[in-house]
Amino acid sequence: DAGVTQSPTHLIKTRGQHVTLRCSPISGHKSVSWYQQVLGQGPQFIFQYYEKEERGRGNFPDRFSARQFPNYSSELNVNALLLGDSALYLCASSSPKTRNEQFFGPGTRLTVL
Amino acid sequence: QQQVKQSPQSLIVQKGGISIINCAYENTAFDYFPWYQQFPGKGPALLIAIRPDVSEKKEGRFTISFNKSAKQFSLHIMDSQPGDSATYFCAASNQAGTALIFGKGTTLSVSS
Repeated sequence: DAGVTQSPTHLIKTRGQHVTLRCSPISGHKSVSWYQQVLGQGPQFIFQYYEKEERGRGNFPDRFSARQFPNYSSELNVNALLLGDSALYLCASSSPKTRNEQFFGPGTRLTVL
Repeated sequence: QQQVKQSPQSLIVQKGGISIINCAYENTAFDYFPWYQQFPGKGPALLIAIRPDVSEKKEGRFTISFNKSAKQFSLHIMDSQPGDSATYFCAASNQAGTALIFGKGTTLSVSS
């Protein structure tokens, strides 16, 4: 069975630019969560979406936004990139039956220059 | 965000030894406590998880011990192997299962 997939794998942007990261959940999973992992730290929660509705938002500025599509895939958008946005962005999916169990994808490594 | 405090930051264990990583939480609304294993360049992988209605859960060489009154839980890795060398994260979430709150991680090195 395919796990959570994310694209692209790596991305290099400059300050002020915009970026879109994509995630496809495990088949049958309807919830997608996004996390930011700065080097040497644990992942930090950004958003969770379930059935295209936002269920939770972490302590991130409005430059960060996300959406979920009818096929349950998701996009994370970050505007006006700052150097501090350089991180590994992780997507996790969970099923309606075991919603606490979140399964992570390999992440997208974003570097902002 | 509510904190989950993890210790130690790093750990070196001999092959065959027991690795122990500890976590403490503050929010009594947390009711799900997973451990994740992360290798360099990879996403975190769910290792084992526990709920507060049990004090211990064992899966193979991995055991979670949970102390509800002390608001602490720990991961024990028995017969540690070089392949266990990775970063381990404890986490917690509430019943809604929205956000996982992670500890800062423990880098485990198992020497052969």
